[in-house]
Amino acid sequence: DGGITQSPKYLFRKEGQNVTLSCEQNLNHDAMYWYRQDPGQGLRLIYYSHIVNDFQKGDIAEGYSVSREKKESFPLTVTSAQKNPTAFYLCASTPYRGTNEKLFFGSGTQLSVL
Amino acid sequence: GIQVEQSPPDLILQEGANSTLRCNFSDSVNNLQWFHQNPWGQLINLFYIPSGTKQNGRLSATTVATERYSLLYISSSQTTDSGVYFCAVPTDSWGKLQFGAGTQVVVTP
Repeated sequence: DGGITQSPKYLFRKEGQNVTLSCEQNLNHDAMYWYRQDPGQGLRLIYYSHIVNDFQKGDIAEGYSVSREKKESFPLTVTSAQKNPTAFYLCASTPYRGTNEKLFFGSGTQLSVL
Repeated sequence: GIQVEQSPPDLILQEGANSTLRCNFSDSVNNLQWFHQNPWGQLINLFYIPSGTKQNGRLSATTVATERYSLLYISSSQTTDSGVYFCAVPTDSWGKLQFGAGTQVVVTP
């Protein structure tokens, strides 16, 4: 089945620790995105990428880093510089073709601080 | 940047009832998307609707781009319709979306 797989479903971070959230898609989509969702709020864009080896900061990139070494993979690292990391993280993708396309989401990762 | 406002923030429905959710946006856009987030967090794309009306089963959506709003209709609601409904509009041509704060819908048996 085609889709977007996020892992793990739940993740706990200790003080000063970096953690990496995985996002893999087999939809052959060019563009991938990371969003953060806080309780009772909408989604905010962290990073996005339209092509391998290239990515751009979104609205709340501070304290996060990404890589795009393969078309199907877009991992997100939450660094120790992110002081309030507890949130629900959602990965998304679109078949970007120079204009806005329908957005598809993975099932999300809940990150909590120990 | 573009502002997206959704109303109402919360909605409680009895099973079988109909309802309308509204999404207002502050600037011209060339498309709008509606999503449903179920209680387990999964976001499903319901509609990609630049303008006009689309229907998908008991759900339909209408976007009036010239007046900067979109409506999502839920007819004969079921408990599985519970969750949060988000609308989102593009902020540029690179696929970046601005989401509204959502409408929390609870459908009771």
